[in-house]
Amino acid sequence: EIVLTQSPGTLSLSPGERATLSCRASQTVSSSYLAWYQQRPGRAPRLLIYGASSRATGTPNRFSGSGSGTDFTLTISRLEPEDFAVYYCQYYGGSPYTFGQGTKVEIK
Amino acid sequence: QVQLQESGPGLVEPSGTLSLTCTVSGASISPSHWWSWVRQPPGKGLEWIGEIFHSGSTNYNPSLKSRVSMSVDKSAKQFSLRLSSMTAADTAIYYCVRDKRIAEIGFDYWGQGVLVTVSA
Repeated sequence: EIVLTQSPGTLSLSPGERATLSCRASQTVSSSYLAWYQQRPGRAPRLLIYGASSRATGTPNRFSGSGSGTDFTLTISRLEPEDFAVYYCQYYGGSPYTFGQGTKVEIK
Repeated sequence: QVQLQESGPGLVEPSGTLSLTCTVSGASISPSHWWSWVRQPPGKGLEWIGEIFHSGSTNYNPSLKSRVSMSVDKSAKQFSLRLSSMTAADTAIYYCVRDKRIAEIGFDYWGQGVLVTVSA
C-alpha cells in the first residue's frame, strides 16, 4: 500500500499570497496516477489536478501541480478567498487507492 | 451534467449492516469508468472503500474487505454498497464517486455524501 504524507498540516496565509503544498509517497509512484482534491467545509471533495500536473475541467490556472517519483507539489499562485480549504493528494495507480491526510489552507 | 446521489439510512445499529445506493444521472454505467465508494469520519480524512465495474468486477480496500460487498444495476444506473458488522468507527460521511482511472483522470464526480451514524 502506498502511504502519502502531506505537509504542512496547516498553512496560514493571506489572500494574494502563494501557497505551496507537499505530498510525499512511501515509494516511487507513477505520476500518471497522482491527483489533488480541494474540499471546502460541508462539501464533497472536488478534483483539481490529475496526472500530477493536468488541470481538471473548471480548475483555475492559478492552480498547478508538479513532481515525480516520490515528491509532488500543489501550488496556488495567488490565493483567492474561495481557495481557503483542505487539500488532499491521492494515488490511484493501484489498489488500494490512498489519500494523504490533508493540508488545511487557512486565512492568516 | 453528471450527478451522483447517495441514498440510505442515516442511522445503523452496532453490529448491523449498512446498505447504500448511488443513483447516477447524466451518464451511463459503461466500460469507461469504475464506480467507487469513499468515506470520511467527521473531522478526519478520506478513505477509499472499494470500486465496482459495469461487469460487476470489484476491488475492495483490504482493511474492509471482509465486511464489504458491492453490486451494480446498469439498467437502473445504480450501484450499491453493503458494509456489515458496523461499529462506531464506521460513523462517517459516505460518498459515491465516478472513478475515471481508466483514463488516468482520478475521481472526477462525487455525490454530496450521506452521514451514517452507528448508534443504538
